[in-house]
Amino acid sequence: QEQLEQWGAGLLKPSETLSLTCAVYGGNGGSFSDYYWSWIRQPPGKGLEWLGEINHRGSTNYSPSLKSRLTISLDTSKNQISLKLSSVTAADTAVYYCGQNLDVWGKGTTVTVSS
Amino acid sequence: EIVLTQSPATLSLSPGERATLSCGASQSVSSNYLAWYQHKPGLAPRLLIYDAASRATGVPDRFSASASGTDFTLTISRLEAEDFAVYYCQQYATAPLSFGGGTKVEIK
Repeated sequence: QEQLEQWGAGLLKPSETLSLTCAVYGGNGGSFSDYYWSWIRQPPGKGLEWLGEINHRGSTNYSPSLKSRLTISLDTSKNQISLKLSSVTAADTAVYYCGQNLDVWGKGTTVTVSS
Repeated sequence: EIVLTQSPATLSLSPGERATLSCGASQSVSSNYLAWYQHKPGLAPRLLIYDAASRATGVPDRFSASASGTDFTLTISRLEAEDFAVYYCQQYATAPLSFGGGTKVEIK
């Protein structure tokens, strides 16, 4: 089964851009067209929040509350998915997870926004 | 946008007891595209159920789920120590996708 490894800056100042990358490893060579990738997050003490998704064609859907600041992109040559969230505030402090379909998830990246 | 409401917020039970978790959708979830996840601190979410009632690979059969209209239920027949966690429902039928607020199953 595929594994997802994610990385990115863990400490940001307000107004900076959060940038995370998620790489897909392994797998049984199943059809790439069956996959889509999501980003979700969990702020401290709160529940899971869906941020957005991208499919193998590069089509995206975003949370309405983040749409103006969020970009999810796909690099098929590197098997990588990226998330960029601009103009961050303390409210964007959370553990961020990337996921493939419903059942494969990265281990999470803790992002803290603080001046 | 589909809003999912989970109840109760917290369920206090003893090992061996039955847990019943509910998830109500604000509108129809087409094709019953609803999933249940288990989430423990410091770990990635674990998919338990997809398509409202299908167990994911490797999930014990003490976990079962059902759907009735816009109401969805996750049942854990007999709680084991490793089942104490937070459970979330998620609809993936209609963008934007959404999670419920979660139900914490804690040891009584």
